[in-house]
Amino acid sequence: AAGVIQSPRHLIKEKRETATLKCYPIPRHDTVYWYQQGPGQDPQFLISFYEKMQSDKGSIPDRFSAQQFSDYHSELNMSSLELGDSALYFCASSSGTGPYGYTFGSGTRLTVV
Amino acid sequence: GQSLEQPSEVTAVEGAIVQINCTYQTSGFYGLSWYQQHDGGAPTFLSYNALDGLEETGRFSSFLSRSDSYGYLLLQELQMKDSASYFCAVTVGAGSYQLTFGKGTKLSVIP
Repeated sequence: AAGVIQSPRHLIKEKRETATLKCYPIPRHDTVYWYQQGPGQDPQFLISFYEKMQSDKGSIPDRFSAQQFSDYHSELNMSSLELGDSALYFCASSSGTGPYGYTFGSGTRLTVV
Repeated sequence: GQSLEQPSEVTAVEGAIVQINCTYQTSGFYGLSWYQQHDGGAPTFLSYNALDGLEETGRFSSFLSRSDSYGYLLLQELQMKDSASYFCAVTVGAGSYQLTFGKGTKLSVIP
């Protein structure tokens, strides 16, 4: 079965650079979520999109922005990167059927040096 | 806001049973989920409770008491591959399935 695809898997950036993470949800899933997980931490909700519109916003810094495109893929744009942005970034998708269909991608490991 | 409490570490013997508890304080509550995460891997859905009672899925079971704001994950017939972190997570509204996670419980299964 198709899963949530994230790219790239690993990314190394320098401070103050920008990064773009991509997420391709499971086909026919209409909602995409972004989470940030620091080392040894729990995943923190950043932002979500339902049918290409922002649906909820969590602890996403103003330096970050995201959108969902007409093909339902989503991108998380991160600017003025800081060392503290180093983390695993997960995308998840669901089809509105509740937590049962909630599936996470394998994540992008961002390292800011 | 939301807060969830779960033990930080648990150690159990292969073949045994282990219970991981989770208490929560939320401004709203729709359901409690459990996720497994191996180091560097993605959270994987294990179980979900919206109503009081026990849900069983193979070796894993999950329980919820809404009146006590409490739930637990029960893992039976532990295997070495069950060594991982286990997170409880709440959803606070129907239609908005953003998850608020607990800090996670690191389970170590020993021979």
